[in-house]
Amino acid sequence: DTEVTQTPKHLVMGMTNKKSLKCEQHMGHRAMYWYKQKAKKPPELMFVYSYEKLSINESVPSRFSPECPNSSLLNLHLHALQPEDSALYLCASSPLGGYNTEAFFGQGTRLTVV
Amino acid sequence: AQSVAQPEDQVNVAEGNPLTVKCTYSVSGNPYLFWYVQYPNRGLQFLLKYITGDNLVKGSYGFEAEFNKSQTSFHLKKPSALVSDSALYFCALRGSARQLTFGSGTQLTVLP
Repeated sequence: DTEVTQTPKHLVMGMTNKKSLKCEQHMGHRAMYWYKQKAKKPPELMFVYSYEKLSINESVPSRFSPECPNSSLLNLHLHALQPEDSALYLCASSPLGGYNTEAFFGQGTRLTVV
Repeated sequence: AQSVAQPEDQVNVAEGNPLTVKCTYSVSGNPYLFWYVQYPNRGLQFLLKYITGDNLVKGSYGFEAEFNKSQTSFHLKKPSALVSDSALYFCALRGSARQLTFGSGTQLTVLP
């Protein structure tokens, strides 16, 4: 299984809603990532988890709250988002170890904030 | 500091012709370079990566990339383009901080 599965594929939420994005992988990867991507732009790193611990937070607003319940799951909790947060949210995973290991990406969640 | 540049926002090529998507990089230390492709409303798919010592790297779907240390480049190539190759292509670099640094992306359009 070389897949990273993200749910839901699409999400529309109001600015007062609370929602969560989910990501799952069964490749035994111990590094997991959240990226935000605007149309036709490169992915922007948001968070990195290593061995289920948050290792990098790229100054992301607190309305985004990551969680890594176990080595296979990664969540992104959303609260009080703004319309400019509308984007494709990508989850990725990779082995920890050598620098020449590729990251595997999920299909993304298309988020629209209204 | 590390960086990746993709100097062309858009590349157009006729079907059956060879294609090249350019990438240059800057990093202190060894470069760990990757190419990804993204189809509309989809995630990124890994194409190939540079492993030290192999200047010509072969990857998925007939793509290959040429690593040139003196020119700090890692250009993506394919001998004969297909319409289905039309997509957004990203070059990426992994440096000492482990996370990927992406180039700005190149939209490839293969014309029938």
